[in-house]
Amino acid sequence: AQSVAQPEDQVNVAEGNPLTVKCTYSVSGNPYLFWYVQYPNRGLQFLLKYITGDNLVKGSYGFEAEFNKSQTSFHLKKPSALVSDSALYFCAVRDLYNFNKFYFGSGTKLNVKP
Amino acid sequence: EPEVTQTPSHQVTQMGQEVILRCVPISNHLYFYWYRQILGQKVEFLVSFYNNEISEKSEIFDDQFSVERPDGSNFTLKIRSTKLEDSAMYFCASSDWGVRQPQHFGDGTRLSIL
Repeated sequence: AQSVAQPEDQVNVAEGNPLTVKCTYSVSGNPYLFWYVQYPNRGLQFLLKYITGDNLVKGSYGFEAEFNKSQTSFHLKKPSALVSDSALYFCAVRDLYNFNKFYFGSGTKLNVKP
Repeated sequence: EPEVTQTPSHQVTQMGQEVILRCVPISNHLYFYWYRQILGQKVEFLVSFYNNEISEKSEIFDDQFSVERPDGSNFTLKIRSTKLEDSAMYFCASSDWGVRQPQHFGDGTRLSIL
């Protein structure tokens, strides 16, 4: 079975500092991985994806993620955090055998303080 | 940019009543999904729909639930005989064909069962 785990419920970072939101995956083959962001009272917004190719994936709003096969991780990063980045972040993996099914992590609340 | 729209934004219903949650997916998308998010918890997959039939469903999606695409634009989730534990945010999503395609989410319907 495929799954993703987000080990941190909350991440606190000061504005201007780099941020990392962690995600690890468990997949029997090559994973299709996604990051989404959720602002209060809104739906999930797609940030970026890893399908194949370069291990460093760039996405929306200056975010990037690094795919690491040996560590089975897909951590979300940003070099310089903004207060407006404060939101809930979800990692997701697409089921390899049922492409219409996605598994989401439990979410990580990012707090960026001025 | 095209959006997934959901109505109503908030639905309050007495326990035991039936509710219908409505979604208008992005017009050229082929796959449609419903997810549930109980307050403060993870996003849970309910069902996916393609070519006018359910393609995948989770164990949560039991006989109490049904989905329908009654016309070329709407996608509905019906919950029969609602229970208190059905209170949650319900998100609709759609995606285009292909494993590389992310899902696009609506802003959700908050369902409150009294």
